[in-house]
Amino acid sequence: EDQVTQSPEALRLQEGESSSLNCSYTVSGLRGLFWYRQDPGKGPEFLFTLYSAGEEKEKERLKATLTKKESFLHITAPKPEDSATYLCAVQAPSGGSYIPTFGRGTSLIVHP
Amino acid sequence: NAGVTQTPKFQVLKTGQSMTLQCAQDMNHNSMYWYRQDPGMGLRLIYYSASEGTTDKGEVPNGYNVSRLNKREFSLRLESAAPSQTSVYFCASTPVTMNTEAFFGQGTRLTVV
Repeated sequence: EDQVTQSPEALRLQEGESSSLNCSYTVSGLRGLFWYRQDPGKGPEFLFTLYSAGEEKEKERLKATLTKKESFLHITAPKPEDSATYLCAVQAPSGGSYIPTFGRGTSLIVHP
Repeated sequence: NAGVTQTPKFQVLKTGQSMTLQCAQDMNHNSMYWYRQDPGMGLRLIYYSASEGTTDKGEVPNGYNVSRLNKREFSLRLESAAPSQTSVYFCASTPVTMNTEAFFGQGTRLTVV
């Protein structure tokens, strides 16, 4: 059973059509939740870290929020250049280590 | 500032061949990681090195070995490649293992035929 579940798997939006991506997690003792952006053929690039429920962070058209069970990445008035795969990762104690576990990602396509 | 550099970018191997994927970071980070990324599976941790001189298994270590050569370099070796190891491999580094963003390389696309 996945500890980190991202939904939807794929999302198609028109330019300017706002939406949200979801990352739900089942780990105990969350130490941090990370959002990354990955463009085709490239490595993931860091966007945000959230540490506690209620926390919010913003960057341009992106806003990340965190509750005790899930995180949302809100995309306001997206542009075609926001097209990418968005990855979520959670960090919690596991077997003595704190290595983040990644979700499978949401592939976002924004049409002009 | 190059960040995390992986070589090679592309590689085709025959079943049973061996090869080493190289990774180097110039950010003076303590921790380094090797992930594989397969369609629909997300990023899965193969091995990591919390600090120079230590290595530990991740979620999918079978068929791989690693060497933390020094603080900058962390290599991944496939001793006898199998088609199931066809994947995109990413190296990453963090200042420490806790609560920090990871910096990723550009990836190595490996095909085993």
